[in-house]
Order: sequence, then C-alpha cells, then structure tokens
Amino acid sequence: KNEVEQSPQNLTAQEGEFITINCSYSVGISALHWLQQHPGGGIVSLFMLSSGKKKHGRLIATINIQEKHSSLHITASHPRDSAVYICAVSAGSYQLTFGKGTKLSVIP
Amino acid sequence: DSGVTQTPKHLITATGQRVTLRCSPRSGDLSVYWYQQSLDQGLQFLIQYYNGEERAKGNILERFSAQQFPDLHSELNLSSLELGDSALYFCASSVVGSIGANVLTFGAGSRLTVL
Repeated sequence: KNEVEQSPQNLTAQEGEFITINCSYSVGISALHWLQQHPGGGIVSLFMLSSGKKKHGRLIATINIQEKHSSLHITASHPRDSAVYICAVSAGSYQLTFGKGTKLSVIP
Repeated sequence: DSGVTQTPKHLITATGQRVTLRCSPRSGDLSVYWYQQSLDQGLQFLIQYYNGEERAKGNILERFSAQQFPDLHSELNLSSLELGDSALYFCASSVVGSIGANVLTFGAGSRLTVL
C-alpha cells in the first residue's frame, strides 16, 4: 500500500510570500494529484501530473518520479489561497491514496 | 459550480438508521467515485462505478453499498449507522474509468452527522 506523507502539516505565511508544500510517496505511481479544500469543505482538483512540471496561474506543481516526491509552489501568496492542500496518488489502480493535507493560512 | 451535484448537503440522523446520498456526475463523465472524509482518517476511497458497473472497491464497510443507474447518477446507501460514520462524503466524476489518466471533478460533499 502506498504511504503518502505531506509536509508541513500547517503553514502560516505573510501575503506575497513564496510557498512550498511537499509530498512524498513510498511506491511507484501512475499519477499524482494536488487538491485544494476550502474551509467550506469543497474540493477542487488543481493538478494531475505523472512527470515534469505544470503551471496554472500562480500555482506550480513539480514531480520527481525517481525520488518519489512532488512539490506544490504558490507564488505571491494571497489570503484567498488559505485552504488545505491535499496530495493524492494512484498506482495503476482506480483508487487514490491521500495524504493528510497541509493547512495553509495566508495573513494579509 | 463544479458540475457534480450531491444531495443532501447536510444530514442529521440517529444511530441504527439508514440514509441515501445521491450524486449526479458532470455531464459526459462516465465514472463516479465515492470518498469518505473523517477527522481522524482523512480522505478515503470507498468505491468506483464506471458506466453502471462497479469498477473498484476501497475501504467500504459491508453496511455501505452503492450503485450507478442508467442515467449515470449514483447513490451511496449507508445502513445501521454508527457514530463513527459521521463524516463528509464526497462524490467525484471523471470521463473514463482509469483514475491515473483523468482529472477528477468533485461535488460539494454531503455532511452526515450521526447522533
């Protein structure tokens, strides 16, 4: 079974700061997902990647398959980025294994 | 609005009761996935349906069952409810059956409270 570890668990940043959230997994995967969960509870899929790097607006996700590690970066952070960010992996099957999430608070 | 509709949004019931959660996938999506999010366990995969057929099973209890109907909506039935079943239940959908190749679209969730 894949173990998914995220760090840090909690992160507080000042508005405008560059933020990095890390995700490590224990066995090979077919894809890694980054999800965002807002305080209201809804979940939004931010990225799905199996190699390299993807960018969407101020968000960048990278993955290193050899090192079994992914990072989610937020540039010029804003209070509206405050949410829980969840890493999830799939390993050729139909189910996702989730990390416990990183709670981000961006202070104005 | 993600396009995935879940009802009800909130549900309060008593131990021993049975409830049904409903999910309508995004238009064009054939796969429906159910997840449970509790405070102590985090998000866990329960079950997946693809075009009416069960495709994969995760940590779904025997007291829980699901199905996907010809119009592709899905229902998750939870019976003999226990306090520990209190959680957020999410439905997600994708175009095809392989989660490795698809971005998921999540519904807003159904919050179940068992008293």
